Amino acid sequence: ELKVEQNPLFLSMQEGKNYTIYCNYSTTSDRLYWYRQDPGKSLESLFVLLSNGAVKQEGRLMASLDTKARLSTLHITAAVHDLSATYFCAVDFMEYGNKLVFGAGTILRVKS
Amino acid sequence: DGGITQSPKYLFRKEGQNVTLSCEQNLNHDAMYWYRQDPGQGLRLIYYSQIVNDFQKGDIAEGYSVSREKKESFPLTVTSAQKNPTAFYLCASSSINQPQHFGDGTRLSIL
Repeated sequence: ELKVEQNPLFLSMQEGKNYTIYCNYSTTSDRLYWYRQDPGKSLESLFVLLSNGAVKQEGRLMASLDTKARLSTLHITAAVHDLSATYFCAVDFMEYGNKLVFGAGTILRVKS
Repeated sequence: DGGITQSPKYLFRKEGQNVTLSCEQNLNHDAMYWYRQDPGQGLRLIYYSQIVNDFQKGDIAEGYSVSREKKESFPLTVTSAQKNPTAFYLCASSSINQPQHFGDGTRLSIL
């Protein structure tokens, strides 16, 4: 079964703090995406991770991919209120016809 | 500007009625997708199409139908057979090995 699990599902953090969101997946893939969704809005692409060891950074967010462990992380550094949103990881299971499977999402609330 | 346009933004369905959600893209992408999102949940794939005149069922295709007569367009029909259609519907498109780009979504409710 193709499964993608994110944790935590809800994260409340203070401004200025650091935290990590985890994304585990069930079978081989070396292509993973992170998206952001604001309430009532569509999904915005944040990061594209295409190989083992890939690391991408944009502002206070950094994403990495470990294909051997089937794990991606999204690290938040010195959180600010504007980062409040829902974050999804999505895994491209290429051996299954490029099927994209989404995690359930992590709701992030950054408190001032 | 290139992008994906979904319409309408809000749609109400009466009992026994079929409704069609529009999705148009001008990104010249070959692949297009329809997802359903329920409150507090991730996205589930309804149908996808990798080329004109061809499409495949996703994980929750029952009660839905699609067509792909043009590269730019991938309309989704929610039929009366879909007993619980209330959800947020997202259309996406992509090129090979690129992330999917999403439209702004259509929120469907039952009257």
